[in-house]
This record gives sequence, C-alpha cells and structure tokens, in this order.
Amino acid sequence: EAQVTQNPRYLITVTGKKLTVTCSQNMNHEYMSWYRQDPGLGLRQIYYSMNVEVTDKGDVPEGYKVSRKEKRNFPLILESPSPNQTSLYFCASSLRQTDTRDNQPQHFGDGTRLSIL
Amino acid sequence: GIQVEQSPPDLILQEGANSTLRCNFSDSVNNLQWFHQNPWGQLINLFYIPSGTKQNGRLSATTVATERYSLLYISSSQTTDSGVYFCAAPHQKVTFGTGTKLQVIP
Repeated sequence: EAQVTQNPRYLITVTGKKLTVTCSQNMNHEYMSWYRQDPGLGLRQIYYSMNVEVTDKGDVPEGYKVSRKEKRNFPLILESPSPNQTSLYFCASSLRQTDTRDNQPQHFGDGTRLSIL
Repeated sequence: GIQVEQSPPDLILQEGANSTLRCNFSDSVNNLQWFHQNPWGQLINLFYIPSGTKQNGRLSATTVATERYSLLYISSSQTTDSGVYFCAAPHQKVTFGTGTKLQVIP
C-alpha cells in the first residue's frame, strides 16, 4: 500500500531535549516536505526537499533541521525544542514539484502531535 | 510568495444541503489541490485540478486559473463531510489557505 509513514504519532517531551520525527514514503517520490499546523494559521511549510541531498527552507524553518540522505526518508530534527514548537506536524511527498504543470499532488502522513513542556 | 485565501472561514449546514467553498490565489498557479481534514486530523486528497472541472461523487471542483480562483462544491452534505477543507497551491514551496471549517448537523 502506497503511504507516507510518520513516527511517533504522539510525543510529550520537555524543553531542550533533542528529538527526531521520522518520515518515510514507499512511492519513490522525489519531493518531500514538512508542515506544521497551528490553530488559526493553517498549514505552514517548514522545509522541503526536491530530491536526495537537496533541501530548502519553507516559510517557518527556525528551530528545525532536516536531512535527505535517502530518497524514502526525510526526518525532522528539533535540536533544542521549545514550547512554541508544540504543534501538529505533517510530512508529505509527491512525485515531483516544479514550476510547471508537471508537478504532482501531495500525499500526507497521518500527522505527529508534539507537545513540548 | 503566493497568497491563498479561503472563504467562508466557517460554515454550518443542515444535512442534505449544498455548499460552495471558495479559494482565491494571488498569482498564477500551475496547479491547485483540495484537501479534507477529518475530525481525526488526517488530510485526505480530494482534487488536484489545474483548470476545468472534476467530479467525484457528491463533490466537484472547478478552477478558473485565468481569474485565480477555485471552487469546491459539496452536494447533499452528510455528517461525514464535517471537518476542515483546505486548498493549496503546489509548487516548490507550497502555500495553504487557512481553511474552511464545515460542520454538518443532522
């Protein structure tokens, strides 16, 4: 079954304790992306990756790191989490994302609810 | 970057009613995607529609790219249609609208 898998689904942790949220897709997609969703603000893009070893900042990258060493995996790293990073996080992937009509619909994981105390 | 605005922000419908949700975007987009976020938080793809009209059961969507808007029609609404509907302009950077929260009451 084609899917985007995020882990963990829920996490409560404390300020300053490094954490990683994993994301894996089994569709051989080139493009992967992380979003956070906050009440009243909708979904905002944190980082995206056009392909292996290619990553770029989205609209809200501060406090986050990503890596894309393999095509299927795109982990989100919070080196020193703070309470303002409490949010619902989504990973997404698509075949490609370009400037043209060639781009493709995104498929989303089920979300990770992160609480930082 | 592209700005995406959705209206209305909130909508309450009686079961069986029809509704139209709107998505305006500030610049030309090559594609537009509609999602439904169910009460459990999952994001479900509804339509990927650069232009024209697509239909899927009781839902249909129309994008008029030259006028920079897209419409999502829900006919004969059901309680399972409740949730938040988002449109997004897929691009290298992806911009989402802030959503329309729909509540369908029996």
